[in-house]
Amino acid sequence: QLQLQESGPGLVKPSETLSLTCSVSGGSISSRNYYWGWIRQPPGKGLEWIGTIFYSGSTYYNPSLKSRVTISVDTSKNQFSLKLNSMTAADTAVYYCARLGDGVVVAATQAFDYWGQGTLVTVSS
Amino acid sequence: DIQMTQSPSSLSASVGDRVTITCQASQDISNYLNWYQHKPGKAPKLLIYDASNLGAGVPSRFSGSGSGTDFTLTISSLQPEDIATYYCQQYDNLPLTFGGGTKVEIK
Repeated sequence: QLQLQESGPGLVKPSETLSLTCSVSGGSISSRNYYWGWIRQPPGKGLEWIGTIFYSGSTYYNPSLKSRVTISVDTSKNQFSLKLNSMTAADTAVYYCARLGDGVVVAATQAFDYWGQGTLVTVSS
Repeated sequence: DIQMTQSPSSLSASVGDRVTITCQASQDISNYLNWYQHKPGKAPKLLIYDASNLGAGVPSRFSGSGSGTDFTLTISSLQPEDIATYYCQQYDNLPLTFGGGTKVEIK
């Protein structure tokens, strides 16, 4: 059974950089049929896609965050990471990592089919 | 960006009721739409993919329909464990976008 687990600080100061890691177990992050993504949910609001990465390192970012976001992958550790700089209170949210199929093979649907439990990140001095 | 508009934003229904949630895309997205169930403190769960296909392990009381710009998620007989917020999500174009959510409660 595939499992994803986010890790990182729960509190970040304004203007600092958030760094989160998603550890994948029960499957390989180097699968050619899947992408790996970050999604967040501010308190009381809906879900927002942050960005997605392929094991090769190809990335796709939400234009609303693109200037501040970097997603990277470490296939040797079966992990991928998120960095979001210049944090403000508006970035306070629960951050999720998830797997996204490429839709090329039937089993790899273009949906977020496995998610981490999420980690709350609060931006405050 | 493709805007996804869900309605209603919340609803209250009795156990056993048929519940319908709609999702409208700002442009034609064919059937490139997914539905998720999100319970507080839990990870979102994929319910429906490609507009009408049931996700793994999802009860058959859930169904999805629609194409183009108008989509529907139906719960044929609401159960207490279905209390959650439901989100639609399009994958026709980047950025991937979600609807604002529909909170389902028991009357």
